[in-house]
Amino acid sequence: DAGVIQSPRHEVTEMGQEVTLRCKPISGHNSLFWYRQTMMRGLELLIYFNNNVPIDDSGMPEDRFSAKMPNASFSTLKIQPSEPRDSAVYFCASRIIPSGANVLTFGAGSRLTVL
Amino acid sequence: AQSVTQLDSQVPVFEEAPVELRCNYSSSVSVYLFWYVQYPNQGLQLLLKYLSGSTLVESINGFEAEFNKSQTSFHLRKPSVHISDTAEYFCAVSRQGGATNKLIFGTGTLLAVQP
Repeated sequence: DAGVIQSPRHEVTEMGQEVTLRCKPISGHNSLFWYRQTMMRGLELLIYFNNNVPIDDSGMPEDRFSAKMPNASFSTLKIQPSEPRDSAVYFCASRIIPSGANVLTFGAGSRLTVL
Repeated sequence: AQSVTQLDSQVPVFEEAPVELRCNYSSSVSVYLFWYVQYPNQGLQLLLKYLSGSTLVESINGFEAEFNKSQTSFHLRKPSVHISDTAEYFCAVSRQGGATNKLIFGTGTLLAVQP
């Protein structure tokens, strides 16, 4: 099993540009999470999906952030326009529901730097 | 809602010494509890979990944690640490049951093992 795959691993962009982060969950997993990690705020839950449906997006910072899951094997997190304060490591994680007892498998993360 | 408090942001310890990383949670309902570990430049990995049954749970690399319901704690311990245990450790909580339960993480504790 290849695990949760995230791309790109590193992204450097300029303020105002659009950023798209991608995630491929583990095959067979039917729930997907997006987290953001910064030194100041730690690990924040942005949004999660069950069976491709967004369940809770209360952690999405503002309208500049959007997330989609068009099918069971792919999700995107988009920031448009990006700002320097969006600089962080973005993690995707997946799980099996309802039998997985909330055990998440994380990807390696996408490190975003907005100049 | 559930919440997690990790009181120590950093714990320095000498190699082969014992260590305890503290975690307290808040919840009005029954919970699952987790410890995840994050090595530098990697995603989080599950270290151990408490779902039900025995309140003492162990990992394959010598860590253990004890669920204490009266004190709402889930402290992580290891009797003798190695240099390779240097990492950030995250305590997490979720409500029991149901597919819509999200995983809430603490702010993390950096375990720094010194020779």
